Formats: sequence, structure tokens, C-alpha cells
Amino acid sequence: AQSVTQLGSHVSVSEGALVLLRCNYSSSVPPYLFWYVQYPNQGLQLLLKYTTGATLVKGINGFEAEFKKSETSFHLTKPSAHMSDAAEYFCAVSLPQAAGNKLTFGGGTRVLVKP
Amino acid sequence: DAGVTQSPTHLIKTRGQQVTLRCSPKSGHDTVSWYQQALGQGPQFIFQYYEEEERQRGNFPDRFSGHQFPNYSSELNVNALLLGDSALYLCASSTESSGPDTQYFGPGTRLTVL
Repeated sequence: AQSVTQLGSHVSVSEGALVLLRCNYSSSVPPYLFWYVQYPNQGLQLLLKYTTGATLVKGINGFEAEFKKSETSFHLTKPSAHMSDAAEYFCAVSLPQAAGNKLTFGGGTRVLVKP
Repeated sequence: DAGVTQSPTHLIKTRGQQVTLRCSPKSGHDTVSWYQQALGQGPQFIFQYYEEEERQRGNFPDRFSGHQFPNYSSELNVNALLLGDSALYLCASSTESSGPDTQYFGPGTRLTVL
């Protein structure tokens, strides 16, 4: 069975500063990896995903993440935080070649952006 | 192109009652998954429907059941509601026709059990 751990349930950053959200996973096979963002009272929006190929993945809104197999990590970064980045972020995994593509989520990291 | 839609947006029930939540997938999608998101937690997978059959199921009791219709829309039914069933219920759709798929989420239904 797969699992996801997000280090830090809350992160506070200043506007213009680096955003770094940590995600580690456990899986019996190399998984597919996803980052989703959730704004208050809304559903989840996909930021980016890694399936195969290049390990550095670029997503929407200036976010990127790097898949590091040796560290079983998929940390999310953004060079310069904007006030609109305040939201909750979820890391998730799914198993390739499995019937169905259920997502297993981490507990989430809430980002606060200070002016 | 309409995305994933869910109804109702909010729902208040009392313990012991039954509830039905509805989901229409994104156009062209044939697979629907349901997730439960308790306050302050990540979503938990309930089950997935494909070709009108339940294909995968998470660790949820039989009180949680579902259905998928020929037009790919889906319902989630919860019987004998408990206070702990209060949560945001998210529907996600995807398609088998392309590879390692992204699931597209709806806005959710907020269920409150009193």
C-alpha cells in the first residue's frame, strides 16, 4: 500500500520569498505523483504531476516539483510567493498499471503568505 | 466545456438519516471517483466507478454505496448517518482512454450531520 507524508501542516512565508512544501511517499513501485491546491470552500485543482521522464516538473502559477527516487520525495517549490498562493496544498500518489487510479493524499499543508 | 459538477453544494442531515449526493463528470470522462475530506485532513478515497461497476473501494463501511449511470454520472449514498460522516464529499472524474490520468475534481458537497 502506498502512503504520503507532508512535513509541516502549516507554512508561513513572506510575499516574494521562496515557497517550499515537502512531500515524501512510500510505495511498492514507482508511483505517479501529484500536487493539488485547494482554495477555501473549493474543490482541488491540479498544480502539476509526474508520471515518467524528466524529474523536474513545471506546473501552473509558477510552481515546480522534483521527483527524487532515492529520497522518495516530491517537494513543491515556487521562487517568489504571491498573496494569491495562500491556500492548502496536497501531495498525492497513485499506482501505475493498477486497475483504477485512486489517489492517496497526504494530510495537506496550509500556506499563509504575509505581506 | 463544463467541468465536474456536484449537487447539492450543502446539506444538513440528522443522525440515522440517509443521504444521496450527485456528480456529473467532465465531458468525455467515463470514470468517477468519490473522496471524503474531513475538516483539516486530506481527502480519503471511498470508491471508484467505471462502466457502471464499482472498480476500487477504500476502507469505508457498507453504509457507503454508489451507482454510475449510462451517461457516466454518479451517485453516492450514505445510510444510517453518523456524526463522523460530516465532511466535504468530493467527486473526481477521469478517462481510461489516455494514460496515467489526472483526476479532475468538482467543488464538493458539504455534508453536516447533527
